[in-house]
Amino acid sequence: GQQLNQSPQSMFIQEGEDVSMNCTSSSIFNTWLWYKQEPGEGPVLLIALYKAGELTSNGRLTAQFGITRKDSFLNISASIPSDVGIYFCAGQANNNDMRFGAGTRLTVKP
Amino acid sequence: KAGVTQTPRYLIKTRGQQVTLSCSPISGHRSVSWYQQTPGQGLQFLFEYFSETQRNKGNFPGRFSGRQFSNSRSEMNVSTLELGDSALYLCASSLGQGIFYTFGSGTRLTVV
Repeated sequence: GQQLNQSPQSMFIQEGEDVSMNCTSSSIFNTWLWYKQEPGEGPVLLIALYKAGELTSNGRLTAQFGITRKDSFLNISASIPSDVGIYFCAGQANNNDMRFGAGTRLTVKP
Repeated sequence: KAGVTQTPRYLIKTRGQQVTLSCSPISGHRSVSWYQQTPGQGLQFLFEYFSETQRNKGNFPGRFSGRQFSNSRSEMNVSTLELGDSALYLCASSLGQGIFYTFGSGTRLTVV
C-alpha cells in the first residue's frame, strides 16, 4: 500500500509555467523514482535517484533525492501541453519493497 | 526490445465470474509485480513473483491469486468478481530486487 505523501494532489497551470511536486515519507528509502502516467497507459519511468542529495535532470525535468532520504521532489520547467498526466513518486526501501505516492494530476492549459 | 505486454487490454465481466489476466515481462526480466489502480486508492500492490515463487503479497483477499511460469510470464486470477474489483490492473517487470520497474499498459477490468 501507499506510505508516501505526495503533494499536491492536482495542479492546473498555464503553458510555460514551471511545476514542482514532492513526496515525503516517515521511512528511509534507498531509491526514489518518478513515473508519469498518461490516460490508458501504464506509468513510464522518468527519473531514478540512487543517492542522498543526488540531483538528476532529464530534459526539462529535474528531480532530487532528499538528504534525509525521506523525501524527493520533481520540477518541470517551461511546461507544455504534452506534460499532462499523473506523476507518481515511488520509494524503494532496504527490503526492496516499492511504495508509491497517490500521484499528482497535472493539467496544462495552452 | 519488446516492452511489458499485458493481455487483454480491456475486459468486461459479470459479478461472480472469474477472470485471468496475463503479463509477459521484458525478455530477461525475472521479477513480475502486479498492482491494482483505482481513482480513489491509487496504486495498490497485489503480489510479486520471482523465478516462479511468490516473494511478496499485498493486503488483498484470497480471491486474488497469481502465478509465474518458467519463462517468467505471469498470470493473475480473480475469482468471484465483485463490482469493486473494477480497476486498471498493471503488471511491472524488473531484472530482480532492487531494480526499478517497467510497467505494461495495463488491463482495464470492468465488473458489471
